[in-house]
Amino acid sequence: GDSVTQMEGPVTLSEEACLTINCTYTATGYPSLFWYVQYPGEGLQLLLKATKADDKGSNKGFEATYRKETTSFHLEKGSVQVSDSAVYFCALRRGQGGSEKLVFGKGTKLTVNP
Amino acid sequence: GAVVSQHPSRVICKSGTSVKIECRSLDFQATTMFWYRQFPKQSLMLMATSNEGSKATYEQGVEKDKFLINHASLTLSTLTVTSAHPEDSSFYICSARDSWNTEAFFGQGTRLTVV
Repeated sequence: GDSVTQMEGPVTLSEEACLTINCTYTATGYPSLFWYVQYPGEGLQLLLKATKADDKGSNKGFEATYRKETTSFHLEKGSVQVSDSAVYFCALRRGQGGSEKLVFGKGTKLTVNP
Repeated sequence: GAVVSQHPSRVICKSGTSVKIECRSLDFQATTMFWYRQFPKQSLMLMATSNEGSKATYEQGVEKDKFLINHASLTLSTLTVTSAHPEDSSFYICSARDSWNTEAFFGQGTRLTVV
């Protein structure tokens, strides 16, 4: 079945460091790919997405490129801030309309120190 | 984005009792709601999908008689964990979507501890 594997955490970085959180997936067909972020005490929020191969999703300085050849969707940011501290979830979705379901990775906790 | 409110955020209950978790869409009509469960250091796992006014569709392995889902209105869905046991302790998250938007918005989750 479909699955998402993402980098185990926790990840601790200093402010302005580069971030990469790896994510690979297994799915038939052409799933849409997502990164969600969960700040402390809040629900999951969609950070970025890509719906087809070679698409690049970007938001708030974060980027991820849909690589079908490597079945990957790694999350990157060139310079992290303390406010980026959160748990990040990679996810995929197949299907259209009411049948679509999200399959999540385990989440990666990021802590950014000043 | 749209707001989904989940209540309570934390609950502790005794074994054998039932617990109800509410999920509300505050500024849109949620035609579809999803309930997820997350064990420590594990993925969010979809438990069931519910459409307003219809019975929920449960994922394989999820006991529908234990996890009762009601989606009686376009702004409210409830998950009731019946006869709770310690192994039901987990983090439960709902998400909601309207009929116009393919993206679902998430609640903040409920930490259930059964003692």
